Amino acid sequence: AQKVTQAQTEISVVEKEDVTLDCVYETRDTTYYLFWYKQPPSGELVFLIRRNSFDEQNEISGRYSWNFQKSTSSFNFTITASQVVDSAVYFCALSEGDDFHSSASKIIFGSGTRLSIRP
Amino acid sequence: DVKVTQSSRYLVKRTGEKVFLECVQDMDHENMFWYRQDPGLGLRLIYFSYDVKMKEKGDIPEGYSVSREKKERFSLILESASTNQTSMYLCASSGPGTRRGYTFGSGTRLTVV
Repeated sequence: AQKVTQAQTEISVVEKEDVTLDCVYETRDTTYYLFWYKQPPSGELVFLIRRNSFDEQNEISGRYSWNFQKSTSSFNFTITASQVVDSAVYFCALSEGDDFHSSASKIIFGSGTRLSIRP
Repeated sequence: DVKVTQSSRYLVKRTGEKVFLECVQDMDHENMFWYRQDPGLGLRLIYFSYDVKMKEKGDIPEGYSVSREKKERFSLILESASTNQTSMYLCASSGPGTRRGYTFGSGTRLTVV
């Protein structure tokens, strides 16, 4: 069965600190996709990144970086030099199978990590 | 810009009422989903649909039903609202080859009193 675990319920750091959000997943498929979404106070989930199971390269986008390690089934998210605008709930998620398949590809979400950045 | 629109941002209903939550997408996506979000539980899938008039149960379908008469519209129905259905409801859609996974609506915060 597929499962996503975000063990950190809440994190609070002071602005400009670096912070890492942990994500551990379980799946029996060899083809799968991992996602991170951000949910600001407005409520709408905002896509941040998608990674497929065959691409273990780490990715950096500005202050955001992602570390995908299949050996430990982890897909961690780091924010460098955090800012108050980064305050949000962050969700890690998993979708099994090929996303070009015609049937619905369900995404399973973790329970989320609430990140608070203090000025 | 592509959009998923949920008809109400906030809703207050009485116990026992029949409640309709509406979701419309303008991306011609085949797949649509209803989730509920509760603190500490993340997003849990209620129902999804991969085609018009098709529906499949998610992880927590009890107390809910859905309707998809047109491709762009996916309705969530609470047949007899109960206080334990007080929650944030999120609609999402996706299509083949969608790189961003789902596109989400802004959510409907439902309070059942």
